[in-house]
Amino acid sequence: EVQLVESGGGLVKPGGSLRLSCAASGFTFSSYSMNWVRQAPGKGLEWVSSISSSSSYIYYADSVKGRFTISRDNAKNSLYLQMNSLRAEDTAVYYCAREPYDSSGYYSDYWGQGTLVTVSS
Amino acid sequence: DIQMTQSPSSLSASVGDRVTITCRASQGISNSLAWYQQKPGKAPKLLLYAASRLESGVPSRFSGSGSGTDYTLTISSLQPEDFATYYCQQYYSTPPRYTFGQGTKLEIK
Repeated sequence: EVQLVESGGGLVKPGGSLRLSCAASGFTFSSYSMNWVRQAPGKGLEWVSSISSSSSYIYYADSVKGRFTISRDNAKNSLYLQMNSLRAEDTAVYYCAREPYDSSGYYSDYWGQGTLVTVSS
Repeated sequence: DIQMTQSPSSLSASVGDRVTITCRASQGISNSLAWYQQKPGKAPKLLLYAASRLESGVPSRFSGSGSGTDYTLTISSLQPEDFATYYCQQYYSTPPRYTFGQGTKLEIK
């Protein structure tokens, strides 16, 4: 059974940093691209970042570029999101998701339960 | 960036109804479109990808269609467990700038 479990969320002051983790199990982690998607309270979904299976390709939304860093450790079956210079508008539930490839492209099939990041003084 | 416009933003329907939700992209996305269902406090669940391919385990009352810029999600006969918020997402952009529609909240009439 595919499982994705996020951790590391919490309350942080504006300008602070936080590192999210996503522990994967039930599939060959090193074979899949992965991503982070966030959802502000009461709002819709926003793609944040994606990383290819071998970390060769990394992409960010403009809203987080230069502040967030996605990474992965295939030996530990783990995905990470280092978030620096946090702003109030980064407050959201952060989901990690698996990105299988289809002829139509990379989509997200399995999602974790999410971890809440609150940026407030 | 490709913008995704979903309609309606909310919808009231009854069990057994046929429901259609529409998603329009600001440019052609060549069927690189997924539909997700989200219930309160839960993670999104993939329903369809490549515009019309049903994810394993998803009931056949869910279907998708469309091409170019216009796509639809249809639920043929609403069940009580289908009341949720639905999102479309394009994954056509290169480099990736995946964007979601604003969501459609499906409520019980």
